[in-house]
Amino acid sequence: GENVEQHPSTLSVQEGDSAVIKCTYSDSASNYFPWYKQELGKRPQLIIDIRSNVGEKKDQRIAVTLNKTAKHFSLHITETQPEDSAVYFCAASIYTDKLIFGTGTRLQVFP
Amino acid sequence: KAGVTQTPRYLIKTRGQQVTLSCSPISGHRSVSWYQQTPGQGLQFLFEYFSETQRNKGNFPGRFSGRQFSNSRSEMNVSTLELGDSALYLCASRLQQGANYGYTFGSGTRLTVV
Repeated sequence: GENVEQHPSTLSVQEGDSAVIKCTYSDSASNYFPWYKQELGKRPQLIIDIRSNVGEKKDQRIAVTLNKTAKHFSLHITETQPEDSAVYFCAASIYTDKLIFGTGTRLQVFP
Repeated sequence: KAGVTQTPRYLIKTRGQQVTLSCSPISGHRSVSWYQQTPGQGLQFLFEYFSETQRNKGNFPGRFSGRQFSNSRSEMNVSTLELGDSALYLCASRLQQGANYGYTFGSGTRLTVV
């Protein structure tokens, strides 16, 4: 079945710097790749997603890139702010199949 | 528009007991999925229901079961509770199954087994 690996498990950056989180998926048939942000004690919230027919997608300070050949996708956060501090999860799914999550990255942004 | 509602928010049970958790999806959403979240294992998929039928199932023992009603509300049940079942159980709904539809999560039910 599908497996998603996520790195790094923790990431500390200075406010204003960029942060990059990387994920690798195992099943080449995967076609949907969302990213979720979970703040402490709160529910995971969808922040951006990308489908297999697109290589890159941006939304203000957040961007996601997809390399189907290498089966990699990445989350890029620019000009990080303290409120970006949270756990970020990548996920992958195939058509109507279940969403499989990575193990999460704890991002800390220091002022 | 109301979000995904899970009840109860917190639950404490004793080993060997059983528990039922409830999830009301966003109005109009027909697909409901359940996930178990623990610090060590992350978000583990339990099952997904669509139109009252289980469409996908994760690698959990038969003690974990669920169902969906005609109004799309879903329940999950865990029988013969074990200490290792202590976790945050998250419900997520989406409009339909399929890659064009993202999940919206509820706030979860935190289950503690003592």
